[in-house]
Amino acid sequence: QSALTQPPSASGSPGQSVTISCTGTSSDVGGYNYVSWYQQHPGKAPKLMIYEVNKWPSGVPDRFSGSKSGNTASLTVSGLQAEDEADYYCSSYAGRNNFVFGTGTKVTVL
Amino acid sequence: QVHLQESGPGLVKPSETLSLTCTVSGYSISRGYYWGWIRQPPGKGPEWIGSIHHSGGTYYNPSLKSRVTTSIDTSKNQFSLRLSSVTAADTAVYYCAAHGGNYPNWFDPWGQGTLVTVSS
Repeated sequence: QSALTQPPSASGSPGQSVTISCTGTSSDVGGYNYVSWYQQHPGKAPKLMIYEVNKWPSGVPDRFSGSKSGNTASLTVSGLQAEDEADYYCSSYAGRNNFVFGTGTKVTVL
Repeated sequence: QVHLQESGPGLVKPSETLSLTCTVSGYSISRGYYWGWIRQPPGKGPEWIGSIHHSGGTYYNPSLKSRVTTSIDTSKNQFSLRLSSVTAADTAVYYCAAHGGNYPNWFDPWGQGTLVTVSS
């Protein structure tokens, strides 16, 4: 299966919002409400930020929100803070017990 | 709090078998969840390798299925990965993670990761 497509980079000033897209197909993103988002700081393991399109794990601030329309999912980070600067990856269930990750987006806080 | 830790050789020769173990603390793996392996080549995105349930049920990435074996040892609260016939393309940071939710569909938490280099 092919990796989900994300823009290589996104940026915003402190306090602003940034939205990252994650485009797949009807066999993965479009077919299931099982999209998750991960934040990864350099040299660290990914951290779950959003699961099942728009649900928050315990401890994740509600500045992070998820949505989906058709074959594209989105992660919005509101009220950008310096610590939000990181790589972000989406992931989706792809049917037949298969899972696919996105290509990744580097978020820069200006 | 659930904690996962990967262990195993950091260097594997081409054509040999990569073996890693993940030790789970703070949660009994026989209680539930699938337990997964994910790898991330340097500078690239993560790639799911496979997941195993304490009952022995397994799911593997179709592109790796012919080379992957996973096992689970509930007495040691550990699960393991074996990847055979490795090449330089298998060089990556390998993570273990709890794999939860329906199907399951999300990974949380993750271990810190271990870099495995394939080189002679």
